[in-house]
Amino acid sequence: QKEVEQNSGPLSVPEGAIASLNCTYSDRGSQSFFWYRQYSGKSPELIMSIYSNGDKEDGRFTAQLNKASQYVSLLIRDSQPSDSATYLCAVLKTSYDKVIFGPGTSLSVIP
Amino acid sequence: EAGVTQSPTHLIKTRGQQVTLRCSPISGHTSVYWYQQALGLGLQFLLWYDEGEERNRGNFPPRFSGRQFPNYSSELNVNALELEDSALYLCASRRTSLGDWETQYFGPGTRLLVL
Repeated sequence: QKEVEQNSGPLSVPEGAIASLNCTYSDRGSQSFFWYRQYSGKSPELIMSIYSNGDKEDGRFTAQLNKASQYVSLLIRDSQPSDSATYLCAVLKTSYDKVIFGPGTSLSVIP
Repeated sequence: EAGVTQSPTHLIKTRGQQVTLRCSPISGHTSVYWYQQALGLGLQFLLWYDEGEERNRGNFPPRFSGRQFPNYSSELNVNALELEDSALYLCASRRTSLGDWETQYFGPGTRLLVL
């Protein structure tokens, strides 16, 4: 079992729709979770972090965390073509103080 | 504030050769991380340096090594290159080893092609 897993995609949504990206992790003791966006040929950039169970909203982005289910998700409302990118889920392994990245989900927003 | 810089941007090498990649962290950041992003494999953690010391390394063979200099810049060395070393090598810096992970910023990467 991989430490961080994501839907491989690609995920295609029409412009204006909600895009839902999912991530599961294996280390039950993980406390910090991050979503990065990576445009093709570019480096990752942090868009959201979440530490507590529940929802965290930032503009069109909502991160959801359920530690009991070891599940974290990212919702993108009113998706725009500029949101087309690969989204990386990352989990902080506290015991090793390093961040483990998932394989990423490719999102394509169709105009 | 200048971001993380990496050099070179692109590199082509042949099997068996050696390569050195360079990274300059954001001013004031002491921790430097190296990641490998091979096609279809996601970001794999390689090495972590802080205050000149290697703090952690990922599941990579010893031919991947590096160091951090007193000015906190870092080098990644890869010896005896293999075809599967072809990847984007990303450097990231973080304010301190105790700082929030939100302060981890990535450089633009070095794309290595091994023929």
